[in-house]
Amino acid sequence: GEDVEQSLFLSVREGDSSVINCTYTDSSSTYLYWYKQEPGAGLQLLTYIFSNMDMKQDQRLTVLLNKKDKHLSLRIADTQTGDSAIYFCAEKKTSYDKVIFGPGTSLSVIP
Amino acid sequence: GAGVSQSPSNKVTEKGKDVELRCDPISGHTALYWYRQRLGQGLEFLIYFQGNSAPDKSGLPSDRFSAERTGESVSTLTIQRTQQEDSAVYLCASSLAPQEQYFGPGTRLTVT
Repeated sequence: GEDVEQSLFLSVREGDSSVINCTYTDSSSTYLYWYKQEPGAGLQLLTYIFSNMDMKQDQRLTVLLNKKDKHLSLRIADTQTGDSAIYFCAEKKTSYDKVIFGPGTSLSVIP
Repeated sequence: GAGVSQSPSNKVTEKGKDVELRCDPISGHTALYWYRQRLGQGLEFLIYFQGNSAPDKSGLPSDRFSAERTGESVSTLTIQRTQQEDSAVYLCASSLAPQEQYFGPGTRLTVT
């Protein structure tokens, strides 16, 4: 099947780490993505990971992939109020497949 | 260069009318996607064009929805006999490399 699941809401205090989780069902997915959507704005690609990787770090962002459990997470270190947004997990099977998005996790950062 | 553009940015139409939404992808991008995002919800895949291959139409919700793309350029999404449940933001994205999609600002469709 083609289902990407995420918890819908997450609330953290400014300065803490945020961890946004995602599960996907298609074990053959090759590309896994995290997108950010700020209020009234378009979607912005934050980072992506290939399925042959376990981890990818990019400044405050760390992506962890557990391929066996089909679980993807996005950790945001030192979360700031500007990180408040909806975060979408997405998967793509091969280079020439469509991208399937999860429902999005709304992150609220409390000052 | 310019990003993905969509027009109109807002469209209000009466139930039963047809609407046409336009997407101008980034020049040279071979892949083009249409998604629908209802208020407070995630992205719903509609249709995907990749080069000269037959489009993946598996996400189109009914036969009232259709899309065309001329070569690797502009795409139009047509909704016939619009219904209130069609009200949503319609997002277009294009990509060249498989890793990245670039999204347009969307067209907000309101069916009254």
